[in-house]
Amino acid sequence: QVQLQESGPGLVEPSQTLSLTCTVSGDSIGSGNYFWNWIRQPAGKKLEWLGRMNSWGRTYYNPSLRSRVTISVDTSKNQFSLSLSSVTATDTAVYYCAREKMGPLGFFDYWGQGTLVTVSS
Amino acid sequence: DVVMTQSPDSLAVSLGERATINCKSSQSLLSSSNNKNYLAWYQQKSGQPLKLLIYWASTRESGVPDRFSGSGSGTDFTLTISSLQAEDVALYYCQQYYSTPPTFGQGTTVEVK
Repeated sequence: QVQLQESGPGLVEPSQTLSLTCTVSGDSIGSGNYFWNWIRQPAGKKLEWLGRMNSWGRTYYNPSLRSRVTISVDTSKNQFSLSLSSVTATDTAVYYCAREKMGPLGFFDYWGQGTLVTVSS
Repeated sequence: DVVMTQSPDSLAVSLGERATINCKSSQSLLSSSNNKNYLAWYQQKSGQPLKLLIYWASTRESGVPDRFSGSGSGTDFTLTISSLQAEDVALYYCQQYYSTPPTFGQGTTVEVK
């Protein structure tokens, strides 16, 4: 059974960089069969896609955040990571990692439980 | 970006009755190259990861009960739960993957009346 688990600080100060890691079990990121995604949801708002990456380093980012978002993959640890720079209170959200099948332009067949990140001093 | 709008925001249905959720996209999700609609449905129960229910608008994911069905084409789609069970109480989302960025509806809460 494929499982994804987000980890990282729950509190980030404004202007700093938010960093999260998604650990994958039950599948090998290095297999190259999928894209690995980050999605977030601020309280009371829609789910917002942040970006995707495959094991060969092909990345796509949401144009609305492109200059601040970086996604990387560590196949040796079977993990992928999110880095979001220059955060403000509007970046406070539940952050999810998800596996994308038949990507790019695919659907998300497995999700992590999500982790709440609050941006505050 | 493609805007996804679900209706209603919430609905209460008696156990054993039908529940219907609608999803409308701001542009067609039907690809002329493969005649597929790039639309998925997800279920989120409290404290659990989102679960894929339906993809290609009407293909049920493996293991999903057959009381869940998806229909529609182009810009208008429907998720139907034919006979609501207590374990179906959840938040449901539609999502388009026709274009980047993928976008989601605002969600519909299904409760037992």
